[in-house]
Amino acid sequence: DGGITQSPKYLFRKEGQNVTLSCEQNLNHDAMYWYRQDPGQGLRLIYYSQIVNDFQKGDIAEGYSVSREKKESFPLTVTSAQKNPTAFYLCASSIGRGRDGELFFGEGSRLTVL
Amino acid sequence: GDSVTQMEGPVTLSEEAFLTINCTYTATGYPSLFWYVQYPGEGLQLLLKATKADDKGSNKGFEATYRKETTSFHLEKGSVQVSDSAVYFCALETGNQFYFGTGTSLTVIP
Repeated sequence: DGGITQSPKYLFRKEGQNVTLSCEQNLNHDAMYWYRQDPGQGLRLIYYSQIVNDFQKGDIAEGYSVSREKKESFPLTVTSAQKNPTAFYLCASSIGRGRDGELFFGEGSRLTVL
Repeated sequence: GDSVTQMEGPVTLSEEAFLTINCTYTATGYPSLFWYVQYPGEGLQLLLKATKADDKGSNKGFEATYRKETTSFHLEKGSVQVSDSAVYFCALETGNQFYFGTGTSLTVIP
């Protein structure tokens, strides 16, 4: 089945540690996105990538980093510089390249800082 | 800039009641419009979409019509069920950029 796989589903981090969230898609989509969701709030865009080896900052990129070395993979690193990292993180993809397309979401990763 | 404003919740309805969740948008150009649904602890799923003015998206008894004159895309369902309890997000897309509303939590009680 085609889709987006995020891992891990739950992650605990000590303060000062970097953690990496995995996102893999087998939909052959060009564009991939990372969103952050806080309780009772909407989705805020962290980073997005329209094509391999290229990505752009979203609205809340500070304290996060990404890479896009392969079309199917878009990992997100939450660095120690992110002051309030506890949140639900959602990865998504779309067909991209200006074509009408919807976002397909993964199941999410819940990060808790201890 | 482009944005979406949707009705704040939470919304609580009895089973079989009529549902409306309002959504208005601001966009330059001609966006596509979407409604997504999120069940507890899960990612978002596409509920329905419309890509041009006067299009009606529909799925699982939910409907929304793309109204360019009022810049709206209100979600409606004639008879809600307990299983419809979830958070609903209105969204627009222009040039591969997606903008989401803050979400409306719906609880349907038996």
